Amino acid sequence: SQKIEQNSEALNIQEGKTATLTCNYTNYSPAYLQWYRQDPGRGPVFLLLIRENEKEKRKERLKVTFDTTLKQSLFHITASQPADSATYLCALASYGNNRLAFGKGNQVVVIP
Amino acid sequence: DGGITQSPKYLFRKEGQNVTLSCEQNLNHDAMYWYRQDPGQGLRLIYYSQIVNDFQKGDIAEGYSVSREKKESFPLTVTSAQKNPTAFYLCATSTGFEGEKLFFGSGTQLSVL
Repeated sequence: SQKIEQNSEALNIQEGKTATLTCNYTNYSPAYLQWYRQDPGRGPVFLLLIRENEKEKRKERLKVTFDTTLKQSLFHITASQPADSATYLCALASYGNNRLAFGKGNQVVVIP
Repeated sequence: DGGITQSPKYLFRKEGQNVTLSCEQNLNHDAMYWYRQDPGQGLRLIYYSQIVNDFQKGDIAEGYSVSREKKESFPLTVTSAQKNPTAFYLCATSTGFEGEKLFFGSGTQLSVL
């Protein structure tokens, strides 16, 4: 069966350090992968998209990698700040299919 | 948020009652989606529409119905056939092109009385 797995345990990290989140998938051939941020009681907000033929994408303090051999994406927040505390969702879609499938999300808590 | 309005923010449903969640957008997006989110769970797709007057079932459509009579509006009805309706419901839009990001509304929390 198809699965998108994110760590269910919250990541507690000291301010200024780099937070790294993992998204593993099974039985997908994703054309692209997206990362979203969700705050409690709010809708997710798009952060980054990375395509199958791209290894790495950056946006300000965010970095995403995509390894189709390992079937894994890593999401990094460098120089983390308390305002980065939120739940981060990965989502992917296969070729010819615009239906995004979401992981359960991984909570990040940045400690001042 | 920002162009997508979901209402109400909170909704209570009595046993056997149908309730309708509203989703309106002014982004001129063709595609609209309804997701359900349960605590500690990922978003699950209920219905989606890529164009006016057309919509498709998602992964968990049973007990729900939708309509898409206008480009701007995609209401979701939670029918009495949905036995476990308590969840956070999210409406989203996109241009409909492959790989395009989703824009989400602020959600409706539905609870059963």
